[in-house]
Amino acid sequence: NAGVTQTPKFRVLKTGQSMTLLCAQDMNHEYMYWYRQDPGMGLRLIHYSVGEGTTAKGEVPDGYNVSRLKKQNFLLGLESAAPSQTSVYFCASRSRRPGVLEQYFGPGTRLTVT
Amino acid sequence: EDKVVQSPLSLVVHEGDTVTLNCSYEVTNFRSLLWYKQEKKAPTFLFMLTSSGIEKKSGRLSSILDKKELFSILNITATQTGDSAIYLCAVLGGDSGAGSYQLTFGKGTKLSVIP
Repeated sequence: NAGVTQTPKFRVLKTGQSMTLLCAQDMNHEYMYWYRQDPGMGLRLIHYSVGEGTTAKGEVPDGYNVSRLKKQNFLLGLESAAPSQTSVYFCASRSRRPGVLEQYFGPGTRLTVT
Repeated sequence: EDKVVQSPLSLVVHEGDTVTLNCSYEVTNFRSLLWYKQEKKAPTFLFMLTSSGIEKKSGRLSSILDKKELFSILNITATQTGDSAIYLCAVLGGDSGAGSYQLTFGKGTKLSVIP
């Protein structure tokens, strides 16, 4: 039981390049989330998904797209990377069961855009 | 706009000291408040608080929620160097129109425990 995994762990991009971050969870969770964490800013929600085939915008969605084609995977895409997207990205998941509100986090992806 | 404010933003104490971390919030459709500990990597779950006045306890850590005054505190007694971390407060709430409530995080309190 690996929990929540993220690939890659580190990446350096040039401005304008594109990339996809992959999040996978093996806990059969319905809800999945993408956050970014910047120094002094806490975690901010980018996009989230309440189930396969559905996604919704969070607090800071601009410049990112997401897809949830399979229940266990949640992909975060950057079509044209900008230096402002330099950050640590965390994926999280949680169960839809009533009363189960804890989110489980992946280890993070450190992205640098030059 | 939902808001979670933590104080202090950073704190340096000596081993054995007791610390109190604060979290105040303004969130629509409050569901619960969660505390996380973040060392080098991913946040790890500490507590979830849903009801006012009921203390949650785990070893030297404890937390309580006041839904009337909209705040929570996290206490750590007899601190150890291994308690050094960023402590994050997050509140679950907001618009459930898309089918899920969201977590709004505070900026965190960085705790440093020196020997």
